[in-house]
Amino acid sequence: DIQMTQSPSTLSASVGDRVTITCRASQSISWWLAWYQQKPGKAPKLLIYDASSLQSGVPSRFSGSGSGTEFTLTISSLQPDDFATYYCQQYHNFSPTFGQGTKVEIK
Amino acid sequence: EVQLLESGGGLVQPAGSLRLSCAASGFPFGDYAMSWVRQAPGKGLEWVSMINGRADWATYADSVKGRFTISRDNSKSTLYLQMNSLRAEDTAVYYCAKDHAYHAPYYKDVWGKGTTVTVSS
Repeated sequence: DIQMTQSPSTLSASVGDRVTITCRASQSISWWLAWYQQKPGKAPKLLIYDASSLQSGVPSRFSGSGSGTEFTLTISSLQPDDFATYYCQQYHNFSPTFGQGTKVEIK
Repeated sequence: EVQLLESGGGLVQPAGSLRLSCAASGFPFGDYAMSWVRQAPGKGLEWVSMINGRADWATYADSVKGRFTISRDNSKSTLYLQMNSLRAEDTAVYYCAKDHAYHAPYYKDVWGKGTTVTVSS
């Protein structure tokens, strides 16, 4: 299986901060990577697909970049609604895997 | 409105069985692969299984292979997960998710609210 490793595991930030989360794959996955946001007690929500494509309806402050084995999710100006846990997911093969998650907390 | 609604969760004893259902609406169900993804209490997301749009091919995580069976009824727009030989480590919220593809476990653009499975004596 392809292992996905996110860093950091927890991130403390303030409203208005620029936030970057990293996701590394154990082997090249081209650009077959998605990012999700999950709030407590809720289902995940798709933010980014194909590494850098913004899902319809998602605010433009979210952006994704990267290819191969290293990817980033950036929130350009953190908003109160953005405090949540973020997961990356690879879909390079027929056994998709998720990162362990990054919790974005209020500083 | 595109919607997925899971049902069938509950408390089951170890070695027992349970069948989850997921009713879909608002999109051409048979045109998309569908997946089950689970989340153990306080843990991250784990993909469980996927079935293609025509229901003639499915794939499973190693952790459930041989115990779980995914199926779908396109005439009813419903996805199923038959879970046998349940273990304590199968305790989780189980989400039904739509894959943005016909034949592969892709990115998931629609999620249900989840149904809780607890395996305990």
